[in-house]
Amino acid sequence: EVQLLESGGGLVQPGGSLRLSCAASGFTFSNYAMSWVRQAPGKGLEWVSALSGSATNTYYADSVKGRFTISRDNSKNTLYLQMNSLRAEDTAIYYCAKVPRLWQLVHFDYWGQGTLVTVSS
Amino acid sequence: QSALTQPPSLSGSPEQSVTISCTGTSSDVGGYNYVSWYQQHPGKAPKLMIYDVSRRPSGVPDRFSGSKSGNTASLTISGLQAEDEADYYCCSYAGSSTVFGGGTKLTVL
Repeated sequence: EVQLLESGGGLVQPGGSLRLSCAASGFTFSNYAMSWVRQAPGKGLEWVSALSGSATNTYYADSVKGRFTISRDNSKNTLYLQMNSLRAEDTAIYYCAKVPRLWQLVHFDYWGQGTLVTVSS
Repeated sequence: QSALTQPPSLSGSPEQSVTISCTGTSSDVGGYNYVSWYQQHPGKAPKLMIYDVSRRPSGVPDRFSGSKSGNTASLTISGLQAEDEADYYCCSYAGSSTVFGGGTKLTVL
């Protein structure tokens, strides 16, 4: 059974940093691209970033480019999102999602339950 | 990376059919056959309902179907049931990124 478990969310001040983690199980982690998708309170889904299975291809939404860094440790079956220079508009639930391909972001077949990030002073 | 356009809300009675539209551009919906649809109940994670425009994952009822014409994709739910009341999001591959629609709140009357 595929399981994705996010952690690392919390309250952070504007301009601060936070690192999210997503622990994966139930599939061969290195064979699949992984992604982060966020949802601001009461709003829709927004794709944030993705990383190919081999970690050679990275993808970012314009809204986070230069501030967020996606990475993975295939030996630990874990996906990360390093978030720097956080803004109030980054406040959202951050979901980890699996892509059923090695690098092409065709769709998301499994999702975690999400971790809440709140950026506020 | 502009969001795809969906109607904000739709409603239908039990057993009726509803269709949710999703309009993009030739750089996303119209350029690839990689449109997907997600169902999200309040407080829950999104669930994949349709992928590759019209394919259903195992376990999704065949009441859910997808199609595409040009830059517009559609999700049709036939034989509406109470449990179909949820938010629905379309999503399209766009080359080096992916883009979601703004979401449609479906109410079963």
